[in-house]
Amino acid sequence: GAVVSQHPSWVICKSGTSVKIECRSLDFQATTMFWYRQFPKQSLMLMATSNEGSKATYEQGVEKDKFLINHASLTLSTLTVTSAHPEDSSFYICSAYNERGPTYEQYFGPGTRLTVT
Amino acid sequence: GQNIDQPTEMTATEGAIVQINCTYQTSGFNGLFWYQQHAGEAPTFLSYNVLDGLEEKGRFSSFLSRSKGYSYLLLKELQMKDSASYLCAVMDSNYQLIWGAGTKLIIKP
Repeated sequence: GAVVSQHPSWVICKSGTSVKIECRSLDFQATTMFWYRQFPKQSLMLMATSNEGSKATYEQGVEKDKFLINHASLTLSTLTVTSAHPEDSSFYICSAYNERGPTYEQYFGPGTRLTVT
Repeated sequence: GQNIDQPTEMTATEGAIVQINCTYQTSGFNGLFWYQQHAGEAPTFLSYNVLDGLEEKGRFSSFLSRSKGYSYLLLKELQMKDSASYLCAVMDSNYQLIWGAGTKLIIKP
């Protein structure tokens, strides 16, 4: 099946610094990728839809200037958490679907656990 | 608005059968997905239904009724490793996934 990777798998940073998370589709091209956030014991929350070559579409309540998304190629999207604060500590997961696949199944990356101290 | 409902938590016994229900109201419909998520891990795909009926895949089966806005995931011969959260998601007319809150399944010996 299709594979999506994320890097790093976990990161600890100090309050006020920025953190970049990469999401790659390894064996298929993805025009669209999705970024989710998940707090402990809660469900996935879609943050934004990343579109190759154009601006990301952010969900209501998600600050686009704080969560910068860049989708510069058909296999790579990045999420940068700027000026991170402890409340940004969460599990960040990306996903993509293979537009040439038989279904609209979304393939998830393994996730990035961010801890802001 | 768009809404997906599934039970918050269910408990079942090892070796038994459990059915997890999902009802939905969305703007359009392009298929329903079931994902499994173990604690601290990303979701993994279980099934996709776009037509009415039952799809069977080993110990897991998924059913869809579009007229009723209803689906269920059936797990047979439960194993301890099946303890996880099960997420129901519907793809709407904009091809965006609308997620349920997930059902935490607890398997007891």
